[in-house]
Amino acid sequence: QVHLQESGPRLVKPSETLSLACGVSGGSLRTYFWTWLRQAPGKGLEWVGYIDTTGRTKYHPSLASRVSISLDTSTSQFFLTLTSVTAGDTAVYFCARDDTTGVIDLWGQGVSVTVSS
Amino acid sequence: DIQMTQSPSSLSASVGDRVTFTCRTDQNIKKFLAWYQQKPGRAPSLLISSSSNLRGGVPSRFSGSGSGTAFTLTINSLQPEDFATYFCQQTFTSPYTFGQGTKVEVK
Repeated sequence: QVHLQESGPRLVKPSETLSLACGVSGGSLRTYFWTWLRQAPGKGLEWVGYIDTTGRTKYHPSLASRVSISLDTSTSQFFLTLTSVTAGDTAVYFCARDDTTGVIDLWGQGVSVTVSS
Repeated sequence: DIQMTQSPSSLSASVGDRVTFTCRTDQNIKKFLAWYQQKPGRAPSLLISSSSNLRGGVPSRFSGSGSGTAFTLTINSLQPEDFATYFCQQTFTSPYTFGQGTKVEVK
């Protein structure tokens, strides 16, 4: 059974870079889009972007200037980098699997990241 | 971005009740709509895709319907494990967007 697990710092200072990793275990990376989403406290879900196994990426336009998603197939991990963070980037970040139609059929447990000095 | 509006934002119900809630979009998304359930402190889980396709393993008391700009999720005979928040998501075009959720609470 495929399992996703996020890892990374829980506290990031304003203006610095948020970096998270997602480990994929129990299955292949092929045929899916590997996705990041986030959920600010008390708010709904926000799609951040995805990467496919060819390295093609797609990002939310509002974040595109600050976000990067990468993939390391040799270690079955994918990564999120968000630069110049502000308090507005405080959220639970989820890594997830998109079945290539936009439907998220598998989620990591989420990691809470706070942006604060 | 396609705007999603869910209603109500919360509702109170009892075990055994039939509950229905709505998701509306500001653009025609045909049937490209998914529903997710989220319990406190947990990741969401997929219930329904393509407006009405129940994911394997999801109880048949859940059903979805709709097309275009109006969609509904119905839970027949609410069970204790169904008290949660439900989100809709449009998968018609990126950026994929979500509703703000409907929280189903114990009456």
